[in-house]
Amino acid sequence: QQQVKQSPQSLIVQKGGISIINCAYENTAFDYFPWYQQFPGKGPALLIAIRPDVSEKKEGRFTISFNKSAKQFSLHIMDSQPGDSATYFCAASAPSGNTPLVFGKGTRLSVIA
Amino acid sequence: NAGVTQTPKFQVLKTGQSMTLQCAQDMNHEYMSWYRQDPGMGLRLIHYSVGAGITDQGEVPNGYNVSRSTTEDFPLRLLSAAPSQTSVYFCASRPVMNTEAFFGQGTRLTVV
Repeated sequence: QQQVKQSPQSLIVQKGGISIINCAYENTAFDYFPWYQQFPGKGPALLIAIRPDVSEKKEGRFTISFNKSAKQFSLHIMDSQPGDSATYFCAASAPSGNTPLVFGKGTRLSVIA
Repeated sequence: NAGVTQTPKFQVLKTGQSMTLQCAQDMNHEYMSWYRQDPGMGLRLIHYSVGAGITDQGEVPNGYNVSRSTTEDFPLRLLSAAPSQTSVYFCASRPVMNTEAFFGQGTRLTVV
């Protein structure tokens, strides 16, 4: 049973465009929702994270939108650049039961000039 | 500050061989985890630990053992390697649950 479902699997965006990656979850106990960025040959690194007390969080060109009632959250990359080309993972964890992070299957983003 | 260090970076094993993937962190984090990454499958949890002496199974634990004798180290043992264990393995640590996880650079393992 996949706890976090991520789409699309791959995405091609023109330079300067908006990249949008979506995730959905089932476990209502989840209350921490990070996005990780991974470049080839490297480990994932935290990009931005949100908790359900806010509906949106923005850091530079990266924004997380969170819809608690729909159990969905998404990553928006504004003014996408070739340097943003990477694999992006959404994840979630719960505060109780020592729950580790569970990840989506990832989205490979290619930003073309 | 080294963060999370994984060794080796690359390894080729023959079917049936055993080996240990090493993971060490110098951030005094209580929580450590092992994930494997396969194309199209994302990051799947193998085992995790919430502190020295405490470990638990994740989503795909079969064929792997772990132990946590110190806060710093969390080795992953492959008992009898199989081609299905060909993957990239990542170790991660977190200071407390529900906060940022820090990942190592990964170990690329090939079992032939």
